[in-house]
Amino acid sequence: KNQVEQSPQSLIILEGKNCTLQCNYTVSPFSNLRWYKQDTGRGPVSLTIMTFSENTKSNGRYTATLDADTKQSSLHITASQLSDSASYICVVSDMRGGSNYKLTFGKGTLLTVNP
Amino acid sequence: ETGVTQTPRHLVMGMTNKKSLKCEQHLGHNAMYWYKQSAKKPLELMFVYSLEERVENNSVPSRFSPECPNSSHLFLHLHTLQPEDSALYLCASSQDSPGTLNEQFFGPGTRLTVL
Repeated sequence: KNQVEQSPQSLIILEGKNCTLQCNYTVSPFSNLRWYKQDTGRGPVSLTIMTFSENTKSNGRYTATLDADTKQSSLHITASQLSDSASYICVVSDMRGGSNYKLTFGKGTLLTVNP
Repeated sequence: ETGVTQTPRHLVMGMTNKKSLKCEQHLGHNAMYWYKQSAKKPLELMFVYSLEERVENNSVPSRFSPECPNSSHLFLHLHTLQPEDSALYLCASSQDSPGTLNEQFFGPGTRLTVL
């Protein structure tokens, strides 16, 4: 069964500090991995999308890594800001041929950045 | 704004009521999605429409009935719901039919409470 596990479940850090969120998956065959940021009361917003051949992708202060061999991804946030407080969701897509695919979602990591 | 709007933002209904959720995308996309997000659970894909045709229905109870009159609008008709159906219902759209790297753009969601 395809699964996406995220850790930690929640995290509290001080403004200006760095942090790393983890995502482990068992999805097969792997197509791509996405990180989303979801602010409270709003829909998720895409941060990065990575395919099998990519092992690092950055979007401003967000850097995602992917190790397709160990089926692990991380999202590193540098110099955190209060606005980074949100839930971060890891999503893995399999590819069953053609345009047939399935997305498996993690439960998310709730990040709180305190002043 | 992501270009995907949802109304209403909040809805409280009794188990015998009939209501509808509306989603509109202003991005010229061809695919639209309904998701359910319950507390402490991953996002669950409910329905997928591509070019106004339903292409996926993930074993959703018949008390949820989708409708896609055109590529810009998506409805979710609700009938005889249960308290466990209380959740955040998210609509999303993507440029093309579900595929590998199509980014999904989410609306803000409708917070549904069933009494």
